[in-house]
Amino acid sequence: GQNIDQPTEMTATEGAIVQINCTYQTSGFNGLFWYQQHAGEAPTFLSYNVLDGLEEKGRFSSFLSRSKGYSYLLLKELQMKDSASYLCAVGNAGNNRKLIWGLGTSLAVNP
Amino acid sequence: DADVTQTPRNRITKTGKRIMLECSQTKGHDRMYWYRQDPGLGLRLIYYSFDVKDINKGEISDGYSVSRQAQAKFSLSLESAIPNQTALYFCATSGGTNTGELFFGEGSRLTVL
Repeated sequence: GQNIDQPTEMTATEGAIVQINCTYQTSGFNGLFWYQQHAGEAPTFLSYNVLDGLEEKGRFSSFLSRSKGYSYLLLKELQMKDSASYLCAVGNAGNNRKLIWGLGTSLAVNP
Repeated sequence: DADVTQTPRNRITKTGKRIMLECSQTKGHDRMYWYRQDPGLGLRLIYYSFDVKDINKGEISDGYSVSRQAQAKFSLSLESAIPNQTALYFCATSGGTNTGELFFGEGSRLTVL
């Protein structure tokens, strides 16, 4: 079957580092995506990994291990504005017309 | 102006009424999607279209229909709205080499009483 798991909620402190994990099972694989969604707003694209390893983009980094079906999003130097839901999604190689979405991790950044 | 525009942004209607949500985009993308988002259920795909002549059902198409009037326009209709169609609806587009990078509209919040 196809499934994506990520924690429902996380809490962190301003200025700290937080890692949001995502594990997936798909019948095919064509990339893993992270999106950020603030409450009441649309999701916005953060990162894309198709090969194993770490992709860094400013304060945000995303890691992928295809053999383990595992990814994480790393947020450094947390700011209050990083409080949002973080959605993990997988592109299915056999049916890349559709992304398979996780339910999202709600991150609360406290002062 | 937003690249992906949805109208209306908010709508309250009654059971049995016909509702149309409209989406237009200026990104020049061929691929367009309609999703709904419900608390605890995440984003679920209703319909998608890869070009004007291509319409495909998503995972929850029952009770919905779509029309791709032009490359830039993709509308979603609820022929006879029911309360469990109360949700936040998003239109999205994608194009280029990374078709998993979606660009979302601001959302349409629909309440069916």
